[in-house]
Amino acid sequence: AQSVTQLGSHVSVSEGALVLLRCNYSSSVPPYLFWYVQYPNQGLQLLLKYTTGATLVKGINGFEAEFKKSETSFHLTKPSAHMSDAAEYFCAVSPSGGYQKVTFGTGTKLQVIP
Amino acid sequence: DVKVTQSSRYLVKRTGEKVFLECVQDMDHENMFWYRQDPGLGLRLIYFSYDVKMKEKGDIPEGYSVSREKKERFSLILESASTNQTSMYLCASSTGTSGRGVEADTQYFGPGTRLTVL
Repeated sequence: AQSVTQLGSHVSVSEGALVLLRCNYSSSVPPYLFWYVQYPNQGLQLLLKYTTGATLVKGINGFEAEFKKSETSFHLTKPSAHMSDAAEYFCAVSPSGGYQKVTFGTGTKLQVIP
Repeated sequence: DVKVTQSSRYLVKRTGEKVFLECVQDMDHENMFWYRQDPGLGLRLIYFSYDVKMKEKGDIPEGYSVSREKKERFSLILESASTNQTSMYLCASSTGTSGRGVEADTQYFGPGTRLTVL
């Protein structure tokens, strides 16, 4: 069994400030981990994913996430928030195999304050 | 660009009506998915199809059925809509080359259909 916990359903940051969205997972096997972004009235878009190899994963739009096995975490960061980053972000976990096995977190809405 | 399109962005139906939600992808993907998205619950998989006429139940299939007669089209059917099926419905697709899975493939989502059942 696997699960994902996203800490904080709403996060507010000032424009230019660090963005940190937290995700902790549990998995009985080595996990694959994902971050998705959903802009208002749109579907989900993949930001980045960790499969194997380097634990620091770089994604689109300046986001990155670090897989920390000892902490069972996969937090998403961006050094400097832009107004356009305001969206909902979903962390997800999967064992190997297809996307039908992915478990999504409950989402974190990011507000960027000018 | 991969495109996953959904037939309606907003839909309002009455309790007991039969509802069809349509999804079309243009990238010849083997796999297609239907999710519902509810505040505080994230995305939950309703059904998954890995080939024409093939389907598997997801986590919450009760009250739903699906149809995949052509590779590019995946339909979600609510046989008798109820108010607790008011939700955002997201369709997705991914390639399904044998042995690849999430490591090599990417999943693409449609824009969603917001269904309200009165």
